[in-house]
Amino acid sequence: AQKVTQAQTEISVVEKEDVTLDCVYETRDTTYYLFWYKQPPSGELVFLIRRNSFDEQNEISGRYSWNFQKSTSSFNFTITASQVVDSAVYFCALSDPTGANSKLTFGKGITLSVRP
Amino acid sequence: EPEVTQTPSHQVTQMGQEVILRCVPISNHLYFYWYRQILGQKVEFLVSFYNNEISEKSEIFDDQFSVERPDGSNFTLKIRSTKLEDSAMYFCASGTGEMYKREQYFGPGTRLTVT
Repeated sequence: AQKVTQAQTEISVVEKEDVTLDCVYETRDTTYYLFWYKQPPSGELVFLIRRNSFDEQNEISGRYSWNFQKSTSSFNFTITASQVVDSAVYFCALSDPTGANSKLTFGKGITLSVRP
Repeated sequence: EPEVTQTPSHQVTQMGQEVILRCVPISNHLYFYWYRQILGQKVEFLVSFYNNEISEKSEIFDDQFSVERPDGSNFTLKIRSTKLEDSAMYFCASGTGEMYKREQYFGPGTRLTVT
């Protein structure tokens, strides 16, 4: 069975601080996909990034960066120089490769509050 | 940029009533999904749909739930006899299913309140 653990439930930082959101996953599959989604206060789920299990390159997109470590089954997300607009719930998710229509298994989410 | 749309944004219904939640997936996507999120909790998979049939469903998706793609654009979730515990945000999602691009794009959600 697949499982995603986001041990942090709430994080509060002051604007311009860096913050790292942790994600640990469990799967028996050798090929899988990992995702981060953002849920702002308005409620929608916004896709941020996908990482395929065979691609361990870290990725940076502006102030966002992701660190995928297969050895520790982790896929952590860092926001550099946080801004108030980053305040949201962030979900890590895992998809198995059994079919193109495979479901996403979500973690419980981390509520990030960025204070001015 | 294409997006998934959902209607209504908020639905209030009485226990025992039937509701239909509607979704228009992104037009070139082939895989469709429903998820739900009870307030303050994580997002849970309900059902996936491909080629006009259910591919997978969770244990939440019991006989009171059904899905349909009545035409080339809409994808609906019907809850036959609503219960108080069905109150949640329901998200529709779609994806291309392309290898190495398994992300799903979510609609804005329908908040269902059962009274």
